[in-house]
Amino acid sequence: EVQLVESGGGLVQPGGSLRLSCAASGFTFSTYWMHWVRQAPGKGLVWVSRIKSDGSNIRYADSVKGRFTISRDNAKNTLYLQMNSLRAEDTAVYYCARDPDYGGYSRLDSWGQGTLVTVSS
Amino acid sequence: DIHVTQSPSSLSASVGDRVTITCRASQSISTYLNWYQQKPGKAPKLLIYAASSLQSGVPSRFSGSGSGTDFTLTISSLQPEDSATYYCQQSHSTPYTFGQGTNLQIK
Repeated sequence: EVQLVESGGGLVQPGGSLRLSCAASGFTFSTYWMHWVRQAPGKGLVWVSRIKSDGSNIRYADSVKGRFTISRDNAKNTLYLQMNSLRAEDTAVYYCARDPDYGGYSRLDSWGQGTLVTVSS
Repeated sequence: DIHVTQSPSSLSASVGDRVTITCRASQSISTYLNWYQQKPGKAPKLLIYAASSLQSGVPSRFSGSGSGTDFTLTISSLQPEDSATYYCQQSHSTPYTFGQGTNLQIK
């Protein structure tokens, strides 16, 4: 069974840092692209970042570029999101999601349960 | 960035109804369009990818169509468990933007 389990969320002050983790199991993690998507309370989905299976081809939303860093450890089957210089508007549930990218068509076919990040003083 | 607009933002329909949700991209995205369903407190679930391909395990009452800038998600016969928020997402180019969502309620 495919499982994605996020961790690392919590309460942080503005300007602070957090590192989210996403532990993958039940599939060959090293062959899938991976994404982070966030959802502010009561709001819609917002794409944050993606990383290719081999750790290359990284992209970010403009709203997090220069502050967030996506990475992965294929030996540990884990995806990461390092979040620095956090702002109140970064408050959201953060989901990791798997992307098989077959035939060049990106789609998020499995999602974790999400981890809540709250940025507040 | 490619902007994606969904309509309507909310709708209410009865069990057995045929329901259609539309998504319009700000520029041509060929068939790089996905549809997701999200229920309260849960993670999104992929329904349709590449505009019209049904994700494995998704009931056949869900279908997608369109190409270029205009796309449609259709539920052929609405069921009680289809009450949810539906999102389209373009995967033509990053940032992979989502529509604002359509809140579907059962009458």
